[in-house]
Amino acid sequence: KAGVTQTPRYLIKTRGQQVTLSCSPISGHRSVSWYQQTPGQGLQFLFEYFSETQRNKGNFPGRFSGRQFSNSRSEMNVSTLELGDSALYLCASSRIGALDSPLHFGNGTRLTVT
Amino acid sequence: DQQVKQNSPSLSVQEGRISILNCDYTNSMFDYFLWYKKYPAEGPTFLISISSIKDKNEDGRFTVFLNKSAKHLSLHIVPSQPGDSAVYFCAASAQAAGNKLTFGGGTRVLVKP
Repeated sequence: KAGVTQTPRYLIKTRGQQVTLSCSPISGHRSVSWYQQTPGQGLQFLFEYFSETQRNKGNFPGRFSGRQFSNSRSEMNVSTLELGDSALYLCASSRIGALDSPLHFGNGTRLTVT
Repeated sequence: DQQVKQNSPSLSVQEGRISILNCDYTNSMFDYFLWYKKYPAEGPTFLISISSIKDKNEDGRFTVFLNKSAKHLSLHIVPSQPGDSAVYFCAASAQAAGNKLTFGGGTRVLVKP
């Protein structure tokens, strides 16, 4: 069974630009969550999508947004990039919820904002 | 406000000995706890979990203990192997929060041969 796939693996952008990251969950998984990992703040929850609906949202500004498609694939978008957005962005999928099946993470997209 | 804390940033242990990783939480709504292992340039990998109705869960070399009154959990790895060298994260969730996991800051484990 293929794991969670995130593309691209690495990305370099300039301040003020926007970026879109992509995530393909494990087949059969309907929940997709996004996390940001930085050295200073650790792993922080961005948002979760289930059946194309945002089910939960973390404490990030509105510049961070996401969506989920009918095939459960998900994208996240960051607009007006800031230097502090440089981070590893991790996508995770599960069948239904964390209590039913643990999250399976992809290898992440490393975003560098210059 | 750090709701999940791993107070030891690093741990060094001899191969074959026990590794004990600790995690404290403050939010009494948390009712499900997980441990993840992370190698460089890879995403976290699920290790073991425990729900708040239990105080112990075992899976091979890994055992997680939960002390709800102290809001404390620990992960025991016995015996430790060089391949266990990685960063370990504890995470917590509340049933009402779906898949929102709150992570600790991680503990880097080095297992020396």
